[in-house]
Amino acid sequence: GDSVTQMEGPVTLSEEAFLTINCTYTATGYPSLFWYVQYPGEGLQLLLKATKADDKGSNKGFEATYRKETTSFHLEKGSVQVSDSAVYFCALSASSNDYKLSFGAGTTVTVRA
Amino acid sequence: SAVISQKPSRDICQRGTSLTIQCQVDSQVTMMFWYRQQPGQSLTLIATANQGSEATYESGFVIDKFPISRPNLTFSTLTVSNMSPEDSSIYLCSVEMAGLQETQYFGPGTRLLVL
Repeated sequence: GDSVTQMEGPVTLSEEAFLTINCTYTATGYPSLFWYVQYPGEGLQLLLKATKADDKGSNKGFEATYRKETTSFHLEKGSVQVSDSAVYFCALSASSNDYKLSFGAGTTVTVRA
Repeated sequence: SAVISQKPSRDICQRGTSLTIQCQVDSQVTMMFWYRQQPGQSLTLIATANQGSEATYESGFVIDKFPISRPNLTFSTLTVSNMSPEDSSIYLCSVEMAGLQETQYFGPGTRLLVL
């Protein structure tokens, strides 16, 4: 079945450091890929998405490129801030699963000043 | 996107009781879903709330434990019945907008603690 594997955390960084969170997927066909972010004590917010191969999603300085050849959708940010401290979830949606979201385990990121 | 609200935002309940969680959206949506997020875990889909018909439950979830209503295109409820401490979780509703298929937007969640 469809599944998402993302880098285990927790990840601790200093402010202005470069952040990468790895995400790979397994799916039949061509899924859409998403990154969601959950700030402390809040619900999930859609951070970015990509719906086809080579698409790049971007938002709030974060980027992720849909790589079909490596079945990956790694999240990157060039210079993190304390306010980026959150849990990040990679997810996919595919027709093979009636477009239901399948989530990765989540990666906790803490940015220190 | 849509503005999604949930009530209550949090609650502490005694085992054996039931709690109904409400999800309200400020515009008509095509799909509504209910998820559970157990402490420190990822999200698990409980069911799809279907307007005008019975909800579609995922494996491991049953209607008797998690009855769901969706009387119209902007509102749904999830009841957690006969609660036990294992039901302590965050419960989130999400919606899918017309014209934005495959993209779900989430409510703020309901934090439930069962004693």
